[in-house]
Amino acid sequence: EAGVAQSPRYKIIEKRQSVAFWCNPISGHATLYWYQQILGQGPKLLIQFQNNGVVDDSQLPKDRFSAERLKGVDSTLKIQPAKLEDSAVYLCASSTVRLAESSGANVLTFGAGSRLTVL
Amino acid sequence: GDSVTQMEGPVTLSEEAFLTINCTYTATGYPSLFWYVQYPGEGLQLLLKATKADDKGSNKGFEATYRKETTSFHLEKGSVQVSDSAVYFCALTRNNNDMRFGAGTRLTVKP
Repeated sequence: EAGVAQSPRYKIIEKRQSVAFWCNPISGHATLYWYQQILGQGPKLLIQFQNNGVVDDSQLPKDRFSAERLKGVDSTLKIQPAKLEDSAVYLCASSTVRLAESSGANVLTFGAGSRLTVL
Repeated sequence: GDSVTQMEGPVTLSEEAFLTINCTYTATGYPSLFWYVQYPGEGLQLLLKATKADDKGSNKGFEATYRKETTSFHLEKGSVQVSDSAVYFCALTRNNNDMRFGAGTRLTVKP
């Protein structure tokens, strides 16, 4: 099975510029996540989609970050304007688990990530 | 809120040494616990998981036991290889909501 695809792998921009990252999850995975991984830290959830609806965006800095998943498949994460502290790897992950299920084994499959450097 | 604390790295071992990476968690109820591994230049991969107390997850020679009494999920391997060099993340999820990760522990195995 094809994995989670992300692009671009690397992006270097200056502060106050904008950037967009794209993610295509595993086919059939209803749930999609964007995580931010700052160097030396564990991934932190930015936003979670269930199909094309937002489940949790409580940790998304909405003044500069936005994300969409219009057709319930691929997703785009945008940062505008970027700040120095946004330098990080942006990870996309997907899973088959729907909220209604309660097996408790929410296994995420991650993409390779998009590394952003803000100068 | 729910959180995971794992031992700070980096950890450097010689090939065939015994590995332990400590992980403790704070959560209400009964979370599911995971270990993910991140090889250089790659995304996180699931290494093993346990969904209830006393469960033992295992994969590729790695093991971890869900200990509710000590709120721990320590990762162990009896004999590490150079190819095990990576960053290891402990994580938890409860009710299939947000997966919370520890800060990661970098392991380097020398020949």
